[in-house]
Amino acid sequence: GAVVSQHPSRVICKSGTSVKIECRSLDFQATTMFWYRQFPKQSLMLMATSNEGSKATYEQGVEKDKFLINHASLTLSTLTVTSAHPEDSSFYICSARGGSRYNEQFFGPGTRLTVL
Amino acid sequence: AQSVAQPEDQVNVAEGNPLTVKCTYSVSGNPYLFWYVQYPNRGLQFLLKYITGDNLVKGSYGFEAEFNKSQTSFHLKKPSALVSDSALYFCAVRDIERDDKIIFGKGTRLHILP
Repeated sequence: GAVVSQHPSRVICKSGTSVKIECRSLDFQATTMFWYRQFPKQSLMLMATSNEGSKATYEQGVEKDKFLINHASLTLSTLTVTSAHPEDSSFYICSARGGSRYNEQFFGPGTRLTVL
Repeated sequence: AQSVAQPEDQVNVAEGNPLTVKCTYSVSGNPYLFWYVQYPNRGLQFLLKYITGDNLVKGSYGFEAEFNKSQTSFHLKKPSALVSDSALYFCAVRDIERDDKIIFGKGTRLHILP
């Protein structure tokens, strides 16, 4: 199956700093990437959808100025949490689809963000 | 909008017994349904999917799911549970009304008791 990677797998930062999370499709071209957020013992909530070369579409209630998404190439999308606060601590999971695998959505391993 | 519901927060099953994790769906049109499993501090692992065809779908690790249109259900099953099956299980649906995004149920924690 197709492989999606995320980096870093775990990050700890101080309140007020910005954190960038990378999501890469390793063996296919991802025309669309998705970012999900998961609080402890809860489900995955879709945050935003990005199409390569276009602005991301955010779900209702997600602050676009807080969670900056860039999808500049067919293999890379980044999520930047700006001025992070403790309430932003969560598990962030990206997902990608594209090319001949358009009907399938492949998930990355996730990034655990802890804001002190 | 398309959605799935998982009525159980937690399911406990003795090792060796059959297990069922429930999921019901609400969709317009033909449903595209999925099951994923998540182990602690890990990403999602795909188990199986239903798009069309046989109502009984076989997936990874001995799991299967039965699509029931009349009951709008897509329950996950396994004939004989293993302790290693203990994890968080998510039912999901592709929302064709919203750019085919995958939307997840709240999840069911499965505990297999030795």
